[in-house]
Amino acid sequence: NAGVTQTPKFQVLKTGQSMTLQCAQDMNHEYMSWYRQDPGMGLRLIHYSVGAGITDQGEVPNGYNVSRSTTEDFPLRLLSAAPSQTSVYFCASSYSGGVSYGYTFGSGTRLTVV
Amino acid sequence: DQQVKQNSPSLSVQEGRISILNCDYTNSMFDYFLWYKKYPAEGPTFLISISSIKDKNEDGRFTVFLNKSAKHLSLHIVPSQPGDSAVYFCAATPIQGAQKLVFGQGTRLTINP
Repeated sequence: NAGVTQTPKFQVLKTGQSMTLQCAQDMNHEYMSWYRQDPGMGLRLIHYSVGAGITDQGEVPNGYNVSRSTTEDFPLRLLSAAPSQTSVYFCASSYSGGVSYGYTFGSGTRLTVV
Repeated sequence: DQQVKQNSPSLSVQEGRISILNCDYTNSMFDYFLWYKKYPAEGPTFLISISSIKDKNEDGRFTVFLNKSAKHLSLHIVPSQPGDSAVYFCAATPIQGAQKLVFGQGTRLTINP
């Protein structure tokens, strides 16, 4: 039972480059989300999805795109990387009725933009 | 506008004693409150939650208290153990829009032997 798998674990990008952070879950969860964690600011929601084909913006969506073509996968795309996007990114998933049981988080992707 | 606040960046407690972590919120629409624990280089792991219709929820050594009138919740860990040393995040969500967790800044708990 892998849970939520994020790849890569580490990435260094140059300003202006694009890349995709991968997230996959094998628990058949309807909800999936992307968060970024910055020092002193907790985790902030970037984008989320309530099911395949349905996505919406969170608190800090600028500079990021998402799509959800399958239940299992929820990739996060950085269109043109900027130093302000240096952060640790976490993907999470949950059952639609399972908020009281919490979200399952991946182990994170540490991204540095130089 | 920080809707969920953890005003103590760090807390140090002696092993065996009680650890109390605090969290305040401003949004009256929040229905569920959750606590997560995070070790370095790992993702947050769910610890315990509480619905707004309750004022206490207990799970083993962990108890969460909710004071709706004060918009305040706390996590009690008793007795504290060295393995409890981690960063603790509180989070909140309305039942409508439950996919959008709002997190506090986190409190680093250190348990001293």
